[in-house]
Amino acid sequence: AQSVTQPDIHITVSEGASLELRCNYSYGATPYLFWYVQSPGQGLQLLLKYFSGDTLVQGIKGFEAEFKRSQSSFNLRKPSVHWSDAAEYFCAVGGSVRDMRFGAGTRLTVKP
Amino acid sequence: GAVVSQHPSRVICKSGTSVKIECRSLDFQATTMFWYRQFPKKSLMLMATSNEGSKATYEQGVEKDKFLINHASLTLSTLTVTSAHPEDSSFYICSARLAGGPQETQYFGPGTRLLVL
Repeated sequence: AQSVTQPDIHITVSEGASLELRCNYSYGATPYLFWYVQSPGQGLQLLLKYFSGDTLVQGIKGFEAEFKRSQSSFNLRKPSVHWSDAAEYFCAVGGSVRDMRFGAGTRLTVKP
Repeated sequence: GAVVSQHPSRVICKSGTSVKIECRSLDFQATTMFWYRQFPKKSLMLMATSNEGSKATYEQGVEKDKFLINHASLTLSTLTVTSAHPEDSSFYICSARLAGGPQETQYFGPGTRLLVL
């Protein structure tokens, strides 16, 4: 069965510092992989997704993620974090919406 | 484009009453909508898949008589929490899939915070 693990429940970084959020997955085939961001009291916004091809995926708001099959990982990165990036980030894996599994989320706090 | 709205954004009700939550796709047609429940500090759990003009498909462990879903048009799905109890308090999020769009793509609403007293 597919599953997603986000090892870090909460991460704090200083504004301007780089960011990496970890995501590991278990899936029977080559998965579709997603990163979503959720601001307080809001729904989820898609940051980026990977289906196939180039393993380094560019998303919105300056985020990127790299698919590493050998490590079953899809870590999210941003070179320089802005205060507005403070939010909850969810990694998801699946071949369709019904098939999709979400990680437990990583809460990002940005220090001034 | 691809905006999904939910109404109300938050609701407080007494135990034993029913609450209806609406999910609308504002600028596209959605033959399929999904309802999720999110517990504090937890991930999203898919409750049911709502198909326009047919019965909803519920995930294992979700009571269909408790969570009534109606998808009467291509832009509206409703979730009714019947005889709500405090344990039903949660954040309910809907999403919609574009008619004819990719199976893996969904657009999320902003969520509805339900508090049952």
